[in-house]
Amino acid sequence: KAGVTQTPRYLIKTRGQQVTLSCSPISGHRSVSWYQQTPGQGLQFLFEYFSETQRNKGNFPGRFSGRQFSNSRSEMNVSTLELGDSALYLCASSSGQGAISSPLHFGNGTRLTVT
Amino acid sequence: GNSVTQMEGPVTLSEEAFLTINCTYTATGYPSLFWYVQYPGEGLQLLLKATKADDKGSNKGFEATYRKETTSFHLEKGSVQVSDSAVYFCALSVPGGSQGNLIFGKGTKLSVKP
Repeated sequence: KAGVTQTPRYLIKTRGQQVTLSCSPISGHRSVSWYQQTPGQGLQFLFEYFSETQRNKGNFPGRFSGRQFSNSRSEMNVSTLELGDSALYLCASSSGQGAISSPLHFGNGTRLTVT
Repeated sequence: GNSVTQMEGPVTLSEEAFLTINCTYTATGYPSLFWYVQYPGEGLQLLLKATKADDKGSNKGFEATYRKETTSFHLEKGSVQVSDSAVYFCALSVPGGSQGNLIFGKGTKLSVKP
């Protein structure tokens, strides 16, 4: 069974640009979550999608947005990039039935560098 | 609010040494507790979990017991190997909260020397 796939692995962007990251969940998983990982703040929850609907959102500015498609694939978008957006962005999928029965499965992440 | 506090790293041990990584939490209600591990260049992998007080999660020689009275979920391993070198994250999932929304500790980097 293929794991969670994130593309691209690495991205370099300039301040002010926008970026789109992609995540393909494990087959059959309907929930996709996004996390930002930085050395200073650690892992911070961005948002979660389930069956194309945003189910929960973390404390990030509106520049961070996401969506989920009918095949459960998800994208997140960051507009007007700032230097502080440099981070590893992790996607995780689960069946969506509950944390106990279906824990999160993480991808290897997209490393975004903003210059 | 809900939060997780882990001991600061890095932790450096010799092979076959005993490992303890402390984790305490603050949460409303009765959370589920998790330990995730992140190897270099990879995403996080679930190591073990516990869903209620006094539950013991175990996997690959690692253990952690859900202690409600001390709000703790310390990770232990009796004899570490070089291959255990990684970053370890304690996390909680609050009942009634969104399943995909885990609250993580800052992580503890473990280095095991041969």
